[in-house]
Amino acid sequence: EPEVTQTPSHQVTQMGQEVILRCVPISNHLYFYWYRQILGQKVEFLVSFYNNEISEKSEIFDDQFSVERPDGSNFTLKIRSTKLEDSAMYFCASTSGETQYFGPGTRLLVL
Amino acid sequence: QKEVEQNSGPLSVPEGAIASLNCTYSDRGSQSFFWYRQYSGKSPELIMSIYSNGDKEDGRFTAQLNKASQYVSLLIRDSQPSDSATYLCAVKGNNRLAFGKGNQVVVIP
Repeated sequence: EPEVTQTPSHQVTQMGQEVILRCVPISNHLYFYWYRQILGQKVEFLVSFYNNEISEKSEIFDDQFSVERPDGSNFTLKIRSTKLEDSAMYFCASTSGETQYFGPGTRLLVL
Repeated sequence: QKEVEQNSGPLSVPEGAIASLNCTYSDRGSQSFFWYRQYSGKSPELIMSIYSNGDKEDGRFTAQLNKASQYVSLLIRDSQPSDSATYLCAVKGNNRLAFGKGNQVVVIP
């Protein structure tokens, strides 16, 4: 069964550094998403992406965040200058219809 | 701001019993509703989707939707220890999912 994959599984970085989180959505899906979950809190929407552009973003997705689909398979989330409060699990999801399927997540720790 | 509320605390159920989870949502225009299961440190895994009023059954799981009351529920019959997890209610609006904070279920052998 096709799955969303994400790399790396864990990332530790220093505050102020840039990180890139990578995702490979399910191959025939057209909509891609990033969500995050701070430890002990709810899953929060960050951004949705369709047809090579952002279709919607939340108030969390400020100028330090960007997304890109650099080739036909990868979908990336870049955090330009990480802050302590960016420490969270970051989930990529994709869909071709109603149901969003989630990748295993990247645990980001900002020190 | 679209809100999804799951207010009950951790639920402990004996193995073989029924676990009942509830969720309310604020956006009356919502059309798609989902229950995800999340094990500790893992990603959300889809359990059920429901789009129309009434009940939808899939194996040991039954989702119930009442759009007039803005209420979604999940029943887990014959609960197993492997059902011990956090169950997330999610409502789709504007192509994004809004999640509740989740209900932890502990199935006691």
